[in-house]
Order: sequence, then C-alpha cells, then structure tokens
Amino acid sequence: AQSVTQPDIHITVSEGASLELRCNYSYGATPYLFWYVQSPGQGLQLLLKYFSGDTLVQGIKGFEAEFKRSQSSFNLRKPSVHWSDAAEYFCAVGVEDNFGNEKLTFGTGTRLTIIP
Amino acid sequence: GAVVSQHPSRVICKSGTSVKIECRSLDFQATTMFWYRQFPKQSLMLMATSNEGSKATYEQGVEKDKFLINHASLTLSTLTVTSAHPEDSSFYICSARDKQGRGEQFFGPGTRLTVL
Repeated sequence: AQSVTQPDIHITVSEGASLELRCNYSYGATPYLFWYVQSPGQGLQLLLKYFSGDTLVQGIKGFEAEFKRSQSSFNLRKPSVHWSDAAEYFCAVGVEDNFGNEKLTFGTGTRLTIIP
Repeated sequence: GAVVSQHPSRVICKSGTSVKIECRSLDFQATTMFWYRQFPKQSLMLMATSNEGSKATYEQGVEKDKFLINHASLTLSTLTVTSAHPEDSSFYICSARDKQGRGEQFFGPGTRLTVL
C-alpha cells in the first residue's frame, strides 16, 4: 500500500527567507504527487501536482516542487515566504483503485509559522 | 470556479443522535465525491468514495451503517453520522471531482462535529 511521510511536524521561518518542506512517499509504481495547503476555515487548495514529464513542477503562489525518484521525494520549495503563507501543508499521493477512481493518501502535514 | 461548500460548518449534538452533513459543488457537476475525516494534528483519512447514482465505496475499517453516504445528484452528497458518539467527534471534509478516474479534487471547507 502507498504511504506518505512528512518528517517535519512544525517549521518556523522568517518572512522573506527560503522554505523547503519535505515529503517522502512509498509506492510501487510512478506515483501522482500533490501538494495542498490548508488555511483555517478554508478547504484544501491545490498548490501543484506531478503526473509525468518535467520533474520540477511550478505551482501557484510562487511554490515549486521537485520529484526525485531515486530518493522517493517530492519536496516543496519557495524562495521567499510571505506572512500569508502561514498554514498547514499536506503532501499526497494519488493511486487508482479497482474502479478506476484516483484516490489520495495524505501525509500528516507540516504546520508553517512565519515570524517577522 | 470549482467551489465546493459544506453545511453546516460546525455542529454540536448529543450522544445517540444522528447528524447530516451536506457537500455541494456550486459551479460544476461532481461525478465523484469523497469524504474524509481529519483528527486534530493528523492527516486526512479517506472514508468513502461515491459516484453519482451508485453506492458509496467505503475504505477498510469504516462502518457503512454508521456513516451513510448519499450521492443522489451531480451537485450534492450527504454524509449522515448515525447514533453519534463522542469518539465520532472530528473534522469531516468532502471533495468533489468532475469526472471519474483522474482529475483534480476540489475540497470543501470542512464540518467540525462535536458529540457531547
């Protein structure tokens, strides 16, 4: 069965500093990978996704992620964080079930705090 | 576009009562809807997948008689927690997709259920 690990429960970064959130996955084939952000009172919002092709994926809000098959990783990066980036971030892997539905398995999330 | 709403956003009920949570896709037809459960500081756990007009497919360990899912139309799915108990207190999140198989899931803002 597939699984997703986000090793960092909580990260604190100064505003304007760079950010990297770690994500490792376990899956037998090439996975479909996602990063979502969850802000209080709002639904999860898709930041970016990897299906195939270029392993460096650009997303919204200045985020990017790099798929590294050899390391089974899909780390999220941003060169300069803004106070509005404070939120919970979830990495997820998508796998098709027997009915052809793609279902998501989420990591436990990383809470990002931004300090002035 | 692609907005998913949930109602209510917060509900408190007595033990033994049933609670219905609605999930609506506001500007697209949701062929497939998903229900997740999120415990504090934990990840989203998929409970069930429902395709419009079909019975829901439940994940292992999820009691189908306790968590009744109805996906009667292309814009509405409901989750009914029957005979709720304090251990059912959680954050319930739905998502919707406009096609079967693969495609982006759009998430609702969640419903906080507290059972006294």
